[in-house]
Amino acid sequence: GENVEQHPSTLSVQEGDSAVIKCTYSDSASNYFPWYKQELGKRPQLIIDIRSNVGEKKDQRIAVTLNKTAKHFSLHITETQPEDSAVYFCAARKDMDTGRRALTFGSGTRLQVQP
Amino acid sequence: NAGVTQTPKFRILKIGQSMTLQCAQDMNHNYMYWYRQDPGMGLKLIYYSVGAGITDKGEVPNGYNVSRSTTEDFPLRLELAAPSQTSVYFCASSYQGLTYEQYFGPGTRLTVT
Repeated sequence: GENVEQHPSTLSVQEGDSAVIKCTYSDSASNYFPWYKQELGKRPQLIIDIRSNVGEKKDQRIAVTLNKTAKHFSLHITETQPEDSAVYFCAARKDMDTGRRALTFGSGTRLQVQP
Repeated sequence: NAGVTQTPKFRILKIGQSMTLQCAQDMNHNYMYWYRQDPGMGLKLIYYSVGAGITDKGEVPNGYNVSRSTTEDFPLRLELAAPSQTSVYFCASSYQGLTYEQYFGPGTRLTVT
């Protein structure tokens, strides 16, 4: 089955700096890659996603890049703010016409933005 | 819409007890999932369902059972609770179509002592 590895496990940055979180996946057939933000005690919330036919996607201060050849994808947060502090999870999924469409998650990155 | 709802929010069980975690969604989603999240870890799939009457195992199904008698509800049953089942349980749902997002419930924090 799919295996997703995520690095680093913790990341501390100064407010205003950029943060980068990286993930690799094992199944070359995976074609959907979302990123979730989870604040303490809360449910995971989707912040951005990318499909395998796209190399990069941006939404204001966040962006995701995908390298299908190398089977890795990254989350980039620019101009970090204290409210960006949370745990971020990457995930991968192989979408087919049938089948489970369940996500395989990375182990998470705890991002702390120091004011 | 209430989205995905879960009950209870918290529960303490003794070893060997049983319980059912409730999950419901009002978005008419075909797909529903149960994940568990251990401290400091990502989410692991327990069971999933692609529609009413259809369920299948995920990565970590041992010690759990599910049923899907309606589109809206997807309860998770724990039989003979063990300390290893101490975790936060999240239910999620998604639409069978071009919208890929999985919507998560608020979670149930379960402690087995």
